[in-house]
Amino acid sequence: QKEVEQDPGPLSVPEGAIVSLNCTYSNSAFQYFMWYRQYSRKGPELLMYTYSSGNKEDGRFTAQVDKSSKYISLFIRDSQPSDSATYLCAMSSYNTDKLIFGTGTRLQVFP
Amino acid sequence: DGGITQSPKYLFRKEGQNVTLSCEQNLNHDAMYWYRQDPGQGLRLIYYSQIVNDFQKGDIAEGYSVSREKKESFPLTVTSAQKNPTAFYLCASSDGTNTEAFFGQGTRLTVV
Repeated sequence: QKEVEQDPGPLSVPEGAIVSLNCTYSNSAFQYFMWYRQYSRKGPELLMYTYSSGNKEDGRFTAQVDKSSKYISLFIRDSQPSDSATYLCAMSSYNTDKLIFGTGTRLQVFP
Repeated sequence: DGGITQSPKYLFRKEGQNVTLSCEQNLNHDAMYWYRQDPGQGLRLIYYSQIVNDFQKGDIAEGYSVSREKKESFPLTVTSAQKNPTAFYLCASSDGTNTEAFFGQGTRLTVV
């Protein structure tokens, strides 16, 4: 079993839809959680960084962490065609020296 | 402009040749990382370094080598021992082990 599981998609939604992207993990020590967006042939860019449980909002993006279920989510409101990309989750704990990445979910938002 | 610069963006090499990919950062980050990404797959960690003159193997270090002589630089050499070197290579840096990592724009290596 991988430490971090992420559905590869593709997830196809119409413009304006609310998108939910998710990752599950097995290591209960994970405390630091990140979401990255990667456009084709580009490097990943950091979207959200959260510590421990709870929600964090930034514009149309909301990151949610449920440590009891070992489950994190990224919600995108009013999705746009420009949101079409691969979304990667990443996480770490206080005693690890590297990030553990999910395999990424490919999102397609059609006009 | 602060950031991570990878060069070149595209690189072509003949089979059997070693090739070095450059990664420079001016973010004053201690930690640097090299990842490999194949089509439709996630990031796989090749090597990482938490401090100058020290580095550790990642999950797929065979056929690769690195050096960390300066804080801002972490070059990756893809050697002829790497059996399938054609891939997209990403360099990243972070301020510490539990902070977010920032990525360069990648180098696409094609070996023919």
